[in-house]
Amino acid sequence: RKEVEQDPGPFNVPEGATVAFNCTYSNSASQSFFWYRQDCRKEPKLLMSVYSSGNEDGRFTAQLNRASQYISLLIRDSKLSDSATYLCVVNLDTGGFKTIFGAGTRLFVKA
Amino acid sequence: DTGVSQNPRHKITKRGQNVTFRCDPISEHNRLYWYRQTLGQGPEFLTYFQNEAQLEKSRLLSDRFSAERPKGSFSTLEIQRTEQGDSAMYLCASSPGTVSDTQYFGPGTRLLVL
Repeated sequence: RKEVEQDPGPFNVPEGATVAFNCTYSNSASQSFFWYRQDCRKEPKLLMSVYSSGNEDGRFTAQLNRASQYISLLIRDSKLSDSATYLCVVNLDTGGFKTIFGAGTRLFVKA
Repeated sequence: DTGVSQNPRHKITKRGQNVTFRCDPISEHNRLYWYRQTLGQGPEFLTYFQNEAQLEKSRLLSDRFSAERPKGSFSTLEIQRTEQGDSAMYLCASSPGTVSDTQYFGPGTRLLVL
């Protein structure tokens, strides 16, 4: 079982749609959580950190459920420019530090 | 530009050759990370440094791979006796080393081993 799992998609949605991505992690030593965005052939860029209380940044909302060990990302009012791969990221501290990326979920927003 | 920089951006080499990549992190970032990414996958953690100390190495980092950060600033990743399976994007990231530890990535070095 992968340490961080995501639905690879692709998700094909029209402009203006709301889309949700989920991510599950297996290690309870996971300490911090993030969503990154990666455009084709570019480096990952931080979209937002994820907190247990939930956090929102404009059209983006992230949630963390530690009991169920899953993280979600909600995108409202999708734009063409949201088309990208969204990576779920977990930092572990099990006596040693490690960062685990999910394989990513591809999103295509169409006009 | 005060972001993470990596050189070279592209490298084509023949199997069996050695290659070295350089990463310059954001200044004053204590932590520096190396990842490898292949098509359709997320970045895979290779190693990380806290200042000049290499604190963690993945099992992916075979004995042909070595990384250094001699003065706690820039880092180098060397691959000896390259194999075709080493073809990938090699990404470097840095972070301030705070509790939240957000990582900022460089543009990567794309390696092709022929």
